[in-house]
Amino acid sequence: DQQVKQNSPSLSVQEGRISILNCDYTNSMFDYFLWYKKYPAEGPTFLISISSIKDKNEDGRFTVFLNKSAKHLSLHIVPSQPGDSAVYFCAASTGTASKLTFGTGTRLQVTL
Amino acid sequence: NAGVTQTPKFQVLKTGQSMTLQCAQDMNHNSMYWYRQDPGMGLRLIYYSASEGTTDKGEVPNGYNVSRLNKREFSLRLESAAPSQTSVYFCASSEDRVYGYTFGSGTRLTVV
Repeated sequence: DQQVKQNSPSLSVQEGRISILNCDYTNSMFDYFLWYKKYPAEGPTFLISISSIKDKNEDGRFTVFLNKSAKHLSLHIVPSQPGDSAVYFCAASTGTASKLTFGTGTRLQVTL
Repeated sequence: NAGVTQTPKFQVLKTGQSMTLQCAQDMNHNSMYWYRQDPGMGLRLIYYSASEGTTDKGEVPNGYNVSRLNKREFSLRLESAAPSQTSVYFCASSEDRVYGYTFGSGTRLTVV
């Protein structure tokens, strides 16, 4: 049972445009959400996070939106750059537990 | 450089062989994790250790054992490798969920 889902395996966006990556979850106990970025042959790196008490968190070009009623979060990258080309994973945790449940990932390709 | 170090980076095993994947972190984090990444499956938790002296099963623990040797080190052992354990294995550590995980660069394991 996949509790965190990323239904788009891949996404292609032109440089300078907005990239929107989506993530849905089924467990209503999740209350903290994170996005990770992964380049080939490297481990994932933390990008941005959001608590369930917020609906938006922004860090430079990256913004995460959380819609609790829809159990949906999204990552916006504006403007997209070629160096953003990577696999993006969303992840979620419950309560005080620090272990994360990850989605299946979305491969973003930013083209020139 | 501070971070999570995994050894080896690559390994080929024959079915039935055993091996131990090593992981060490120098950030004084309490919690450590082992994940595997498979195509289309995202990152799945094998085992984790919330603090020194404790270990717990994750989503896919069958066929694996772990040892939290001390606060720095968390090893993953395959007692009798099977082709289904062909995967990329990531170790991670965290202080708490707010700051997310720091991942190692991964071990690519092939079981033939």
